[in-house]
Amino acid sequence: LAKTTQPISMDSYEGQEVNITCSHNNIATNDYITWYQQFPSQGPRFIIQGYKTKVTNEVASLFIPADRKSSTLSLPRVSLSDTAVYYCLVGGDNQGGKLIFGQGTELSVKP
Amino acid sequence: DAGVIQSPRHEVTEMGQEVTLRCKPISGHDYLFWYRQTMMRGLELLIYFNNNVPIDDSGMPEDRFSAKMPNASFSTLKIQPSEPRDSAVYFCASSPVNQETQYFGPGTRLLVL
Repeated sequence: LAKTTQPISMDSYEGQEVNITCSHNNIATNDYITWYQQFPSQGPRFIIQGYKTKVTNEVASLFIPADRKSSTLSLPRVSLSDTAVYYCLVGGDNQGGKLIFGQGTELSVKP
Repeated sequence: DAGVIQSPRHEVTEMGQEVTLRCKPISGHDYLFWYRQTMMRGLELLIYFNNNVPIDDSGMPEDRFSAKMPNASFSTLKIQPSEPRDSAVYFCASSPVNQETQYFGPGTRLLVL
């Protein structure tokens, strides 16, 4: 299973753009990169998924370089409600369907 | 759709008692996952099913834990006998054909005294 490494915590202020980078040096050819968000006392929530280049939705953007050994989740103009833990996951069907949640990045947005 | 439904939301029990957690996945989803989350160990995958069949139960901590999925709309996770170290939040998640997109339930907060 591809191992992911991301910062344990990050601080930001309202209105700023936040970029969280995840490294996954052992990513396999068929692996997708997926990011989840978890608020306190709630289950994780799917944010975005990509395979290569750039993906954008109403919540975030995901940037994946050509070698796919890392990815960056970009949150535009964060607000206090974006305070949560963000998980980067790599994997899928080619690994028996397992997705492993690492420790995640605890993002704290301050006023 | 109401999303993934879990019951009970909170459970307090005494050591040695049997605990049964329940999950109703999103209709039409082929995959169902059970996770456990603690401060010390984070979010751990316990077991997952595909079309009601257990695929990987390597995350189940020990024989005290068992999971079943008798049909596409219902799954249980049972702990017998329960121990204080089982105290955690247990999440159920389901996904359609693409396993990477998992939809989580609200979780069951279990406290074993």
